[in-house]
Amino acid sequence: AQSVTQLGSHVSVSEGALVLLRCNYSSSVPPYLFWYVQYPNQGLQLLLKYTSAATLVKGINGFEAEFKKSETSFHLTKPSAHMSDAAEYFCAVSVPGSCTTGKLIFGQGTTLQVKP
Amino acid sequence: EAQVTQNPRYLITVTGKKLTVTCSQNMNHEYMSWYRQDPGLGLRQIYYSMNVEVTDKGDVPEGYKVSRKEKRNFPLILESPSPNQTSLYFCASRGYQETQYFGPGTRLLVL
Repeated sequence: AQSVTQLGSHVSVSEGALVLLRCNYSSSVPPYLFWYVQYPNQGLQLLLKYTSAATLVKGINGFEAEFKKSETSFHLTKPSAHMSDAAEYFCAVSVPGSCTTGKLIFGQGTTLQVKP
Repeated sequence: EAQVTQNPRYLITVTGKKLTVTCSQNMNHEYMSWYRQDPGLGLRQIYYSMNVEVTDKGDVPEGYKVSRKEKRNFPLILESPSPNQTSLYFCASRGYQETQYFGPGTRLLVL
């Protein structure tokens, strides 16, 4: 069975500081991994995804994430936070080629606050 | 524009009054699903559909029904809503490499 744990329900950074949002997963088979962002009163937007190609994945808005199999982690980073990055971020895992549910398993979410 | 649409976006109802939330996608995806989002719990899958006339339960199906009569539409039905179904609901369709595309969400309040 797959699961996702996001460490820290709230993260606060200053504008211009490094953003690090942590995600650890559990999967019995090589997973696909995703980060989604949810801005206030909006739906979920895909930031980036890992699908077993390059372990360092670049996404939109300057975000990137690194798949580390040995640590079962897929942490999201951005070198310099912007006020517009304030949102809720979700890490999710999926099992490729699943013919049963094909669902995304989501973490609990991390709210990113960016202070001026 | 490729998109998933949901209606209504906001809904207030009373216990026991049947309601339907519509979902439509224009990407010709076979796989669609419904999730609910609750604080501290992330998103949990309610029902999914692999194709027309093929649906199955997700993790939290109690109190919900779905149907898939056409490929593009996947409505969520609450036949007798209860207050514990107050939540934010998302419809999604799945494309290439398991990527799921989400609708804008429907915020439901059951009194």
